[in-house]
Amino acid sequence: DGGITQSPKYLFRKEGQNVTLSCEQNLNHDAMYWYRQDPGQGLRLIYYSQIVNDFQKGDIAEGYSVSREKKESFPLTVTSAQKNPTAFYLCASSIMSLAGGYTQYFGPGTRLTVL
Amino acid sequence: AQKVTQAQTEISVVEKEDVTLDCVYETRDTTYYLFWYKQPPSGELVFLIRRNSFDEQNEISGRYSWNFQKSTSSFNFTITASQVVDSAVYFCALIVTGANNLFFGTGTRLTVIP
Repeated sequence: DGGITQSPKYLFRKEGQNVTLSCEQNLNHDAMYWYRQDPGQGLRLIYYSQIVNDFQKGDIAEGYSVSREKKESFPLTVTSAQKNPTAFYLCASSIMSLAGGYTQYFGPGTRLTVL
Repeated sequence: AQKVTQAQTEISVVEKEDVTLDCVYETRDTTYYLFWYKQPPSGELVFLIRRNSFDEQNEISGRYSWNFQKSTSSFNFTITASQVVDSAVYFCALIVTGANNLFFGTGTRLTVIP
């Protein structure tokens, strides 16, 4: 089945720890994205990547880092510098850059809780 | 600047009733795309529809229909004969051509009561 997978589904972190959220897609999409969702709010863009070995900051990139070494994978690291990391994180991909209006498809999400 | 407003935070309907979810957008660009997504309790966003700014035709897909009106900057979503499985949070989103940021509304939580 083609799709986007995210792991883990639930993640607990102690303050001061870095954690990495996994996102993999087998849709052969060029572009990938990370969003953060807080209760009662819409999604906010953290980082996006239009091509391997290239990525750009979104609206709320502070305290996060990403890499794009393979087309299929776009892991997100939540660093200790992120002051309020408890949230629902969604990964998405599109066949090409959103700039062309291409549809984004989303993974099932990872719920991160800081203890 | 772009903005999407979903003024209805929560809606409850009884099964088989029709329901309309409102979406009003703001942009100065003439070329843009509008989307609707469904977020069931599992959390994954499910794509429902994509519409570009040059296509104002209404669309129907089964029990779902969309009314796009540029004159009022609205892209409303109607569910006919609602079912319990329609219970979810629905998001409207906007992107202008050339940008890489999809602007989401805050969502409307729909509860369909059996």
